[in-house]
Amino acid sequence: DIQMTQSPSSLSASVGDRVTITCRASQSISTFLNWYQLKPGKAPKLLIYAASSLQSGVPSRFSGSGSGTDFTLTISSLQPDDFATYYCQQSYSTPGYSFGQGTKLEIK
Amino acid sequence: EVQLVESGGGLIQPGGSLRLSCGVSEFSVSSNHMSWVRQAPGKGLEWVSVIYSGGTTYYADSVKGRFTISRDNFKNTLFLQMNSLRAEDTAVYYCARVSSYCAGDCFFFMDVWGKGTTVTVSS
Repeated sequence: DIQMTQSPSSLSASVGDRVTITCRASQSISTFLNWYQLKPGKAPKLLIYAASSLQSGVPSRFSGSGSGTDFTLTISSLQPDDFATYYCQQSYSTPGYSFGQGTKLEIK
Repeated sequence: EVQLVESGGGLIQPGGSLRLSCGVSEFSVSSNHMSWVRQAPGKGLEWVSVIYSGGTTYYADSVKGRFTISRDNFKNTLFLQMNSLRAEDTAVYYCARVSSYCAGDCFFFMDVWGKGTTVTVSS
């Protein structure tokens, strides 16, 4: 099974900050990597698929990069609505679709 | 509006059974791949099961042999039958549509999600 490890587990930042979250796969997954945003009581939201493709309707301040085993999600200028928990997910070894453990982004 | 609405959660004793439903609007459950994902209290997301449009089903090892995913094409509804429930099955259960983008390789991702239904397994 492919294990996904995110860092950091939690992060404090301010509105306007540039933030980067890292996801590492236990083996190469090419660019089969997705990013999601999760807020309490709301439906999870797809942000990025195929490592760097922005999902329709997602603000352009979100971007993804990486291939192989190392990936990043970057928020270029944090907005109040961005404080949430973020998850990476691999889709290389389907149907497993394993997720990282999550990164909680909090207001500083 | 494309929408998924889960229902059927509740409090159930260990060893009991529960059936979750996911009502689908504005697209066909039979023509799409559909999945269940859960989040235990204080934990991250865990993939549970998938049913592909052709009908093939897969399960996480943690639920294999106890959970069954199915769909009703006429009611346009996805189901998760959960038997022999354990305390560790306590979670919010989400249904999601699995879509794909193909450019040489095919990339799968969950692009539409419901808000979830809560299952609590406790005596």
